[in-house]
Amino acid sequence: SQKIEQNSEALNIQEGKTATLTCNYTNYSPAYLQWYRQDPGRGPVFLLLIRENEKEKRKERLKVTFDTTLKQSLFHITASQPADSATYLCAPGGYSSASKIIFGSGTRLSIRP
Amino acid sequence: DTGVSQNPRHKITKRGQNVTFRCDPISEHNRLYWYRQTLGQGPEFLTYFQNEAQLEKSRLLSDRFSAERPKGSFSTLEIQRTEQGDSAMYLCASSPSGQGEPLHFGNGTRLTVT
Repeated sequence: SQKIEQNSEALNIQEGKTATLTCNYTNYSPAYLQWYRQDPGRGPVFLLLIRENEKEKRKERLKVTFDTTLKQSLFHITASQPADSATYLCAPGGYSSASKIIFGSGTRLSIRP
Repeated sequence: DTGVSQNPRHKITKRGQNVTFRCDPISEHNRLYWYRQTLGQGPEFLTYFQNEAQLEKSRLLSDRFSAERPKGSFSTLEIQRTEQGDSAMYLCASSPSGQGEPLHFGNGTRLTVT
């Protein structure tokens, strides 16, 4: 069955450093991958989408890579700030527009001042 | 864009009771999803609709769970004969149809079964 794995341990980063989060998937060949941010008690908020034919996507301090050979996506936050502290979720998606979107378990990121 | 609205925000019920949650999606979105989330886990897919048609329902979902989306607008999720294991955050999301369209989530209904 399809499996999506994200760092189960919380990630603690010093402010100003680059945070790197990992999303691995198995038994799956997604056409794209989405990343979301979730704050406690709130619903997830969409951040970025990267398609299988894109190696890298950037948005302000965020960068996402997608390696279909390794079956992995990396999510980077550069110049991290305490306000970036949240849980980050990856969600690979299928080729069909009718495919449901399933989520990884998320990685909790804490940026200390 | 008023966002996705979910009601109630919190629900406490006794085991064995039935509960119903409501989700009002973004008006122009024809796709609507329900997810369940427990502490430390990602959202778990329950079911989704394209307009009023229920396209898929999780095999993990027991027959106690049912969802409707009459007229392709708001949706309701009902849980019959609640169990303590049903305690979770229930999230609703909507999106346009089409590959890769991002989901817009509500802030969920937190259910506590005592």
